[in-house]
Amino acid sequence: EVQLLESGGDLVQPGGSLRLSCAASGFTFSTYDMSWVRQAPGKGLEWVSTISDSGGRTYYADSVKGRFTISRDNSKNSLYLQMNRLRAEDTAVYFCAKNGPLGHCTSSSCYAYFDYWGQGTRVTVSS
Amino acid sequence: EIVLTQSPGTLSLSPGERATLSCRASQSVSSSYLAWYQQKPGQAPRLLIYGASSRATGIPDRFSGSGSGTDFTLTISRLEPEDFAVYYCQQYGSSPSTFGQGTRLEIK
Repeated sequence: EVQLLESGGDLVQPGGSLRLSCAASGFTFSTYDMSWVRQAPGKGLEWVSTISDSGGRTYYADSVKGRFTISRDNSKNSLYLQMNRLRAEDTAVYFCAKNGPLGHCTSSSCYAYFDYWGQGTRVTVSS
Repeated sequence: EIVLTQSPGTLSLSPGERATLSCRASQSVSSSYLAWYQQKPGQAPRLLIYGASSRATGIPDRFSGSGSGTDFTLTISRLEPEDFAVYYCQQYGSSPSTFGQGTRLEIK
């Protein structure tokens, strides 16, 4: 059974930093691209970032580019999101998601749906 | 980026009825790269449909997806009590991937 368990969400002041983690199990983690998707309170879903299976390619939404860094450790079956220079508009539940097997990424873009999601971790940016 | 508009915003139906949810894209979605998700309060989204019409693993056959180009539809043939939730469409044929604003399916 595929399981994704996020952690690291917290209340942080504007301009602060936070690191989210996602522990994966139930599938061969190192062979799948992985993503973060967020959902602001009472709002819809927004793709944030994707990382290739090897970790060699990363992709970001314009809203977080230059501030967030996605990474992974395949030896630990773990996905990470380092969030710097946080803003109030980054307040959301952050979901870790496994990319579906029929999606694909090129050198510049990803074309992926998400077949499994974690339960999410809440990030609140407020003074 | 492609904007997805879902309609209606809220759909009120009774168990046993048929539900038809619409997702319209501002530009054609390449290769019918369109997915549908179901989300219940406090839960993660659940993949229902990918590639516009392929059901995900374990999804009952009362859920079906159709459409191409700019117009897509999710149909639930006979509503069960557990189907009342919010439904999102997502296009992944153009970067960045984008989601619709959601359709809330509520019990009438």
